Amino acid sequence: DAGVIQSPRHEVTEMGQEVTLRCKPISGHDYLFWYRQTMMRGLELLIYFNNNVPIDDSGMPEDRFSAKMPNASFSTLKIQPSEPRDSAVYFCASSRPGTAREEQFFGPGTRLTVL
Amino acid sequence: DAKTTQPPSMDCAEGRAANLPCNHSTISGNEYVYWYRQIHSQGPQYIIHGLKNNETNEMASLIITEDRKSSTLILPHATLRDTAVYYCIVRVLNAGNMLTFGGGTRLMVKP
Repeated sequence: DAGVIQSPRHEVTEMGQEVTLRCKPISGHDYLFWYRQTMMRGLELLIYFNNNVPIDDSGMPEDRFSAKMPNASFSTLKIQPSEPRDSAVYFCASSRPGTAREEQFFGPGTRLTVL
Repeated sequence: DAKTTQPPSMDCAEGRAANLPCNHSTISGNEYVYWYRQIHSQGPQYIIHGLKNNETNEMASLIITEDRKSSTLILPHATLRDTAVYYCIVRVLNAGNMLTFGGGTRLMVKP
């Protein structure tokens, strides 16, 4: 298994532009999580899905952020319009219920820089 | 609200055991202790978890005190590749339960 796949790995954009981050979870995983990591706030959960349905989006900072999961193998996190304070590393993770560990598998992250 | 407390940083000599403490004095009866680590520029990685008994796997050992208010992650023979930030997390055993990351402990393994 290739693990959780995220694209792009790096994104540099200018303030005001739309940014779309993509995630492919591990096949068979029912849960998908989006986290953001900054020096100031550390790792924080933005939103998570169960069977493609958003369950908790209380961590989404504001209306400029939106996330979708159109099918079990793909999710997007969109920022429109982007701002310099959105610069961070965005991680996607997935998990499957019923395992002994109930662990989350993380992707390599997307490093976003908004100028 | 912080559910775990960890020292911000620790050093360890290569080949020696690294003992990383975690305080979770408000842990609930159905919450497990999980450890993840994050090597520079990578996503966090699961290490080990436990409820009340000591646990060991190919990566590490987890010692949980009898009152469950604290635990220690042990890397028996630390290598340079173990240099990372280690996160102690308490959570209910549920794949849909989110991970709440604190500041973690930055472990530096030195030659």
